[in-house]
Amino acid sequence: DAGVTQSPTHLIKTRGQQVTLRCSPKSGHDTVSWYQQALGQGPQFIFQYYEEEERQRGNFPDRFSGHQFPNYSSELNVNALLLGDSALYLCASSLETGSNEQFFGPGTRLTVL
Amino acid sequence: KQEVTQIPAALSVPEGENLVLNCSFTDSAIYNLQWFRQDPGKGLTSLLLIQSSQREQTSGRLNASLDKSSGRSTLYIAASQPGDSATYLCAVRPGANNLFFGTGTRLTVIP
Repeated sequence: DAGVTQSPTHLIKTRGQQVTLRCSPKSGHDTVSWYQQALGQGPQFIFQYYEEEERQRGNFPDRFSGHQFPNYSSELNVNALLLGDSALYLCASSLETGSNEQFFGPGTRLTVL
Repeated sequence: KQEVTQIPAALSVPEGENLVLNCSFTDSAIYNLQWFRQDPGKGLTSLLLIQSSQREQTSGRLNASLDKSSGRSTLYIAASQPGDSATYLCAVRPGANNLFFGTGTRLTVIP
């Protein structure tokens, strides 16, 4: 049973560029959440997708957008990259019914130069 | 606004010692609380989840307790091993959706 997978593992971009990160949820899960983790900090909630709709959003600007596909996989897009966007981006999946326990992927390390 | 605090920020113990990690949260209206482990540069591994109606959960050498009314949770690790060295994160769920995380406790178990 495959867990949550994310791609790519590492990414280096320059300021002003755009980036797309990808996530495949754990088998059987229908909900995907994205988090940003700066160095030495706890993860911060970006947004959550369920039934291909953004259901809830944290305190992040509109430069951060996402999408969920019919197979429940998800993308996170960040436009006009800033140096401060450098972080580990974590994807978590869960099942809408039941305990809603979230399972995390290995993350994508984004470096903005 | 929900805030989660973890004390201490870092902890070093000799192998074999029992230890307790602390987590406090400001808003007691939570759906559940989850403890995670994170190795350097890696993702999060879920250790234990406690529903708001529960007082504790156990898994092997780990025991997590929840006192929702006082806004506190503890993670007890028995007979610590060098492989337990990692950062431990506490997260609360205020509703059915997102998690609020603390900044973690970095644990080092010395052989």
